[in-house]
Amino acid sequence: DAGVIQSPRHEVTEMGQEVTLRCKPISGHNSLFWYRQTMMRGLELLIYFNNNVPIDDSGMPEDRFSAKMPNASFSTLKIQPSEPRDSAVYFCASRQGNYGYTFGSGTRLTVV
Amino acid sequence: GNSVTQMEGPVTLSEEAFLTINCTYTATGYPSLFWYVQYPGEGLQLLLKATKADDKGSNKGFEATYRKETTSFHLEKGSVQVSDSAVYFCALSDGGGADGLTFGKGTHLIIQP
Repeated sequence: DAGVIQSPRHEVTEMGQEVTLRCKPISGHNSLFWYRQTMMRGLELLIYFNNNVPIDDSGMPEDRFSAKMPNASFSTLKIQPSEPRDSAVYFCASRQGNYGYTFGSGTRLTVV
Repeated sequence: GNSVTQMEGPVTLSEEAFLTINCTYTATGYPSLFWYVQYPGEGLQLLLKATKADDKGSNKGFEATYRKETTSFHLEKGSVQVSDSAVYFCALSDGGGADGLTFGKGTHLIIQP
């Protein structure tokens, strides 16, 4: 199993540009989570999906953030327009039932 | 709401020293408790977990016991190695459904040879 796959690993973009982060969960996992990690706030849950349906997006900081899961093997997190304060490492994780969460390697986003 | 509090770092120890990283939690239900480890430039890896009171999770020489009476899940290791240098996160999951993890701020552990 290749684990949770995130792309890109690093993204540098200019303020105001649209950014799309991608995640491929582990096959057979029915829950998917997006987290953001910063020095100031630590790890924050942004949104999670169960069976491709968004369950809780209360952690999404602003309307500039949106997430989709069009099928069981793919999810995107989009920021439009991006701002310097969005700079962080974004992690995707997946889970099957009561088993442990498996995290991807993360996308380091820098907005200049 | 749920919260996790863990000791501030960095924690610096010599190789073969005994390690304790404290973790306490607040939760409304009966949470599952986890320790995750993050090596530089990598994602989080599950280190160990416990799903009910008095359970002991263990892996790679690390242990933690779910103490409901003190709402704690302290991480211990009898003899640390340089390769244990990483950031350690205590986390909880409230309930058995598809909910998210609530993390502590993380403790940076540095092991010196």
